[in-house]
Amino acid sequence: QLQLQESGPGLVKPSETLSLTCTVSGGSISSSSYYWGWIRQPPGKGLEWIGSIYYSGSTYYNPSLKSRVTISVDTSKNQFSLKLSSVTAADTAVYYCARLLTGDRVFDYWGQGTLVTVSS
Amino acid sequence: QSALTQPASVSGSPGQSITISCTGTSSDVGSYNLVSWYQQHPGKAPKLMIYEVSKRPSGVSNRFSGSKSGNTASLTISGLQAEDEADYYCCSYAGSSWVFGGGTKLTVL
Repeated sequence: QLQLQESGPGLVKPSETLSLTCTVSGGSISSSSYYWGWIRQPPGKGLEWIGSIYYSGSTYYNPSLKSRVTISVDTSKNQFSLKLSSVTAADTAVYYCARLLTGDRVFDYWGQGTLVTVSS
Repeated sequence: QSALTQPASVSGSPGQSITISCTGTSSDVGSYNLVSWYQQHPGKAPKLMIYEVSKRPSGVSNRFSGSKSGNTASLTISGLQAEDEADYYCCSYAGSSWVFGGGTKLTVL
């Protein structure tokens, strides 16, 4: 059974960089059938796609966040990571990692999510 | 890239049917048959309910169905049950990017 698990600091100071890692178990991150993505949800609000990465390192980013986002992959550890720079309180959200089917363009497996609060 | 438009809330009684709309543009919903729907219960991760407009993943009840006309996609839930009460989000591929709807809270009366 595929599982995705987010990890990283739950509290980040304004202007600093948010860093999260998603560990994939029960399947290979190097499969040609999948991309891997990050989605976030501010408290009480809707979902927002942040970006996606292929095992080769090819990335797609949300245009509204592109200047601050970097997504990377470590196939040896079966992990992919998110860095979001210059954070503000507006970046406070539950951050989810998810598997993205390349053909169907759909997020079919999600991690449980991790709350990141931006506050001094 | 603007969020897809969904009604903030819908409600229905057990056994009834409801439909949630999801309106986008010719750059997303209107251009691709790659609309998906997610169910989210409080404090939980979203769960895939419909993909490619009308396909159901294995294990999802056939009470859930999807359709699309032009720039608007729809999710219909028939035979409403108490456990269907949740937030529902649509999502569309938009050419190297993805856009979600603002979400609809379904209340089962």
